[in-house]
Amino acid sequence: GAGVSQSPSNKVTEKGKDVELRCDPISGHTALYWYRQSLGQGLEFLIYFQGNSAPDKSGLPSDRFSAERTGESVSTLTIQRTQQEDSAVYLCASRPASGSKETQYFGPGTRLLVL
Amino acid sequence: AQSVAQPEDQVNVAEGNPLTVKCTYSVSGNPYLFWYVQYPNRGLQFLLKYITGDNLVKGSYGFEAEFNKSQTSFHLKKPSALVSDSALYFCAVRVNYKFYFGSGTKLNVKP
Repeated sequence: GAGVSQSPSNKVTEKGKDVELRCDPISGHTALYWYRQSLGQGLEFLIYFQGNSAPDKSGLPSDRFSAERTGESVSTLTIQRTQQEDSAVYLCASRPASGSKETQYFGPGTRLLVL
Repeated sequence: AQSVAQPEDQVNVAEGNPLTVKCTYSVSGNPYLFWYVQYPNRGLQFLLKYITGDNLVKGSYGFEAEFNKSQTSFHLKKPSALVSDSALYFCAVRVNYKFYFGSGTKLNVKP
């Protein structure tokens, strides 16, 4: 079946512009995560959505970052007034349910470059 | 605080030789443990997990990992490396709904 998809695959923007990244999770997956992977670094947790519960936003690095999720479907991560240090690969992952022992399944990522 | 350590940034091994990629963790409670592999310009792919039961877990592509509770380790192993195994490997622990990742180990398998 279809995996997690993300768009765009690559985004080049100018400093100060806003960007919106999209994630389509696997159908039926109620849990959704956003991570940031900087060059040569591990994964940095950004935000977690689980069904209709309040999201865990504890990993968002600044108030320029926000994310939304429509029900148990698409999620968008928005970065306002981008800075060069925002350049990274942004990964989305989904998982079947909060109590599940299942792994999370990752999308291919969006590679963001801020000039 | 929860943490995962992958002490080696890079592991070099000759094709056909056994490989080990190390992972240790420090978490509260009983964690679920995972290994993922990342090929260039791709997302992470699941390799294997330990939830409970047998300490030796077998996963995809001939990989296995051994859970050692006393040493809080979960090392990834393969008896005979392939050139195609060259990639970036991440260890992760899950506590409740959160996943904590190591910094990754680059595996280079040379012909």
